[in-house]
Amino acid sequence: AQSVTQLGSHVSVSEGALVLLRCNYSSSVPPYLFWYVQYPNQGLQLLLKYTTGATLVKGINGFEAEFKKSETSFHLTKPSAHMSDAAEYFCAVTLNNAGNMLTFGGGTRLMVKP
Amino acid sequence: KAGVTQTPRYLIKTRGQQVTLSCSPISGHRSVSWYQQTPGQGLQFLFEYFSETQRNKGNFPGRFSGRQFSNSRSEMNVSTLELGDSALYLCASSLAPSGGAETQYFGPGTRLLVL
Repeated sequence: AQSVTQLGSHVSVSEGALVLLRCNYSSSVPPYLFWYVQYPNQGLQLLLKYTTGATLVKGINGFEAEFKKSETSFHLTKPSAHMSDAAEYFCAVTLNNAGNMLTFGGGTRLMVKP
Repeated sequence: KAGVTQTPRYLIKTRGQQVTLSCSPISGHRSVSWYQQTPGQGLQFLFEYFSETQRNKGNFPGRFSGRQFSNSRSEMNVSTLELGDSALYLCASSLAPSGGAETQYFGPGTRLLVL
């Protein structure tokens, strides 16, 4: 079975600072990895995903993530935080034999200070 | 193209009642999945449907059920509601299951409050 751990349920950064949200996964087979963002009272929006190929994945809104198999990690970064980035971020994993069944991490709430 | 729509958006029920939630996927999408989101348990997979067949089911009691219609619209039903069923129920659609790499698009959710 697969699992996802997001280190830090709350992260606070200043506007313009680097954003780093951590995600580690556990899987017995190569996983597919996703980052979603959720704004208040809304559903989830896909930021980026890793399936195969290039391990550095670029997503929307300036976010990117790097798949590191040796570290079983898929951390999300953005060079410069913007006030509009304040939201909850979820890392998720699925396997190629699990259809669309996503397993989510506990989420990280990102706060951006002016 | 319209996104995933869920109805109703908000619902209040009392313990012991049953509830039906509806999800209309993005046009052309044939796979629909349901998730429950609570502060305590986070986001948990409920079930996945494709071509009117349930493909996967999460670890939820039999009170939780679903179905998919020929037009890919899906409904989920919760019978004998308990206080712990209060949650945001999210529906997601994708073109097809495609071995897990397919992007799922989420609706805004239905917020259920059980009193």
